[in-house]
Amino acid sequence: GQQVMQIPQYQHVQEGEDFTTYCNSSTTLSNIQWYKQRPGGHPVFLIQLVKSGEVKKQKRLTFQFGEAKKNSSLHITATQTTDVGTYFCAGGRDNYGQNFVFGPGTRLSVLP
Amino acid sequence: GAVVSQHPSRVICKSGTSVKIECRSLDFQATTMFWYRQFPKQSLMLMATSNEGSKATYEQGVEKDKFLINHASLTLSTLTVTSAHPEDSSFYICSASQGRINSPLHFGNGTRLTVT
Repeated sequence: GQQVMQIPQYQHVQEGEDFTTYCNSSTTLSNIQWYKQRPGGHPVFLIQLVKSGEVKKQKRLTFQFGEAKKNSSLHITATQTTDVGTYFCAGGRDNYGQNFVFGPGTRLSVLP
Repeated sequence: GAVVSQHPSRVICKSGTSVKIECRSLDFQATTMFWYRQFPKQSLMLMATSNEGSKATYEQGVEKDKFLINHASLTLSTLTVTSAHPEDSSFYICSASQGRINSPLHFGNGTRLTVT
């Protein structure tokens, strides 16, 4: 079946350093969404990418969708302690974009 | 924004009993809701897709007689863990979509189930 992988599993950074997590799918995705889950909380939607090669920015966060629509990345510039949490990518597995398979997540720790 | 309410947030039950978890979309209609299970420090595992007015679609390996799903209205889906056992202890989360193509998933706060 369709698999979505993420690397790294864990990342510890010093506040102010950059951070990147990568998401890879075994099959072509209809779209990809990114979510953030704070410790003890529930996943919160960050962004969605639909088009091949799409790049979107949200303040210090930059999201990319690969040309083949099989991989994606999330880059955070100058991390802050508020960035702590687990970042999940979710690959759309149907053309309606409502059925997703989640990656295992990347847990980010930011040391002050 | 779209809000999904999940209740209860925590439940402790004895082995052999059944537990019902509710998932409500508060300010939008959700024809489709999703139920997940999340183990500590792990990802969300999709258990089933709940469709309003029809039977739920279960993922491979998920026992439909064990995890009963009912989606009786456009704003409410319930998950009942029947004859719970300690291995069913987990964090259960629901999500709902507003139904438009490529719309985001809105998650409930989750339910921490502990079976003693």
